[in-house]
Amino acid sequence: GAGVSQSPRYKVTKRGQDVALRCDPISGHVSLYWYRQALGQGPEFLTYFNYEAQQDKSGLPNDRFSAERPEGSISTLTIQRTEQRDSAMYRCASSLDWRGGLYNEQFFGPGTRLTVL
Amino acid sequence: GENVEQHPSTLSVQEGDSAVIKCTYSDSASNYFPWYKQELGKGPQLIIDIRSNVGEKKDQRIAVTLNKTAKHFSLHITETQPEDSAVYFCAASISTSGTYKYIFGTGTRLKVLA
Repeated sequence: GAGVSQSPRYKVTKRGQDVALRCDPISGHVSLYWYRQALGQGPEFLTYFNYEAQQDKSGLPNDRFSAERPEGSISTLTIQRTEQRDSAMYRCASSLDWRGGLYNEQFFGPGTRLTVL
Repeated sequence: GENVEQHPSTLSVQEGDSAVIKCTYSDSASNYFPWYKQELGKGPQLIIDIRSNVGEKKDQRIAVTLNKTAKHFSLHITETQPEDSAVYFCAASISTSGTYKYIFGTGTRLKVLA
C-alpha cells in the first residue's frame, strides 16, 4: 500500500518568501508528526496532530512556522518569511493511533529538502 | 529538557563482526524506545523497538537491550553485512499531558567493510 508522501520533494526559495510543505499520511492514520532534520542530525520534533487537532506545537522554532490538518488527513507546514537558517530536510510521519499508550510505530515520508537562498 | 544522547557518531566494522550503538535518555517517564535505520535518500525506517517492561528483545541478527535504572539502551547487530551500512537513530518516547512524541538521538553512521 501507499506510504507517507510529501510534496514537493525539493523546494528552493529566496529569503523572505513563504513556503508550504505538504504531507499526505497513510490512509487511516490518526496521528501525524512533523520533524526537521539537519544534515548529520536526528529528526527534531516540530509538532503533531491527532485527527485535525494540533496536540503539541512545542517544537516549532518561532511564530513564522505553523501547521494545519483541517480535515484530519493531509497536513501543511507553512514557513513565512523564510530565512537561510530554515534550510533543512522537513519530514512528516504518521502512526495508526496514539491511544493505549504510546506504542505506535511512526512511518516516515521521504521528506522535503528546503533550501533558502 | 528532554534529551537523547547517542554514541558513537560513526562506526566501521568488518563484514561478519558485531556492531553496538548506545543511547542514553533523560526523561525517566519514557517507556518506548524505537530504533530506526536511514538509508541514503530515504526516510527513517523502524527496525526494532523495545518497551520499558522488557529488558531485551531480539529479531534475527538485531537485538536491543534496555536498562531503565541507568536510562540507557543499546542496539546490537551481529554478523554484519554490507547492506547494514546506513545511519541508525535511537529514540525515546515522551508523553506529557496526553501528548506523545519521540526525541531522537543524533545518529550513528555504520559502515560495514567487505
